[in-house]
Amino acid sequence: GQQLNQSPQSMFIQEGEDVSMNCTSSSIFNTWLWYKQDPGEGPVLLIALYKAGELTSNGRLTAQFGITRKDSFLNISASIPSDVGIYFCAVRGGNYGGSQGNLIFGKGTKLSVKP
Amino acid sequence: GAGVSQSPRYKVAKRGQDVALRCDPISGHVSLFWYQQALGQGPEFLTYFQNEAQLDKSGLPSDRFFAERPEGSVSTLKIQRTQQEDSAVYLCASSLSLAGGEQFFGPGTRLTVL
Repeated sequence: GQQLNQSPQSMFIQEGEDVSMNCTSSSIFNTWLWYKQDPGEGPVLLIALYKAGELTSNGRLTAQFGITRKDSFLNISASIPSDVGIYFCAVRGGNYGGSQGNLIFGKGTKLSVKP
Repeated sequence: GAGVSQSPRYKVAKRGQDVALRCDPISGHVSLFWYQQALGQGPEFLTYFQNEAQLDKSGLPSDRFFAERPEGSVSTLKIQRTQQEDSAVYLCASSLSLAGGEQFFGPGTRLTVL
């Protein structure tokens, strides 16, 4: 089936550092999404990208929709302790009467605090 | 409440038991999705409802899995004769619009099959 390759799998952050993660696919998708999941909670949408080449910011978060429509990256600037968690990229995979429904998720990037 | 709620939050079942997981979507949301999230993985799509109609059940892993949303609001995911490989977090998400809008996730039900 369709697969998103997300990297890195995990990383350690120190407060104040910038963080970067990315997601690639062998297929073209028209919507790229970035979610964060905290322990015991469902994913929460951070940024949605709808146009190839689009660069979108949400506070300290910046995400880009690759021009080929096969990749996206997420940057977090000046990380803080509450940034720890699991970050997922996702795309819309279904087709329901022309709209796209169900989400396909990457395997996630786990952010932890440097010991 | 304002968000999607799921119950129970935790469920332990013996292999072979039937379980029922409940999802209360945000009021007025037309679309409802169920996802399965294995440990260390991203959520994987199970099934989709538009109001009471189940439009897509292509992600259900076997005929032991059954979902319903009889009145177009609350949904129940039922798993019959549970197996150890069914152990996962089951997430429900709802969306205001017909499939294309932002999906809001509930906290999930963690199912452990012994």
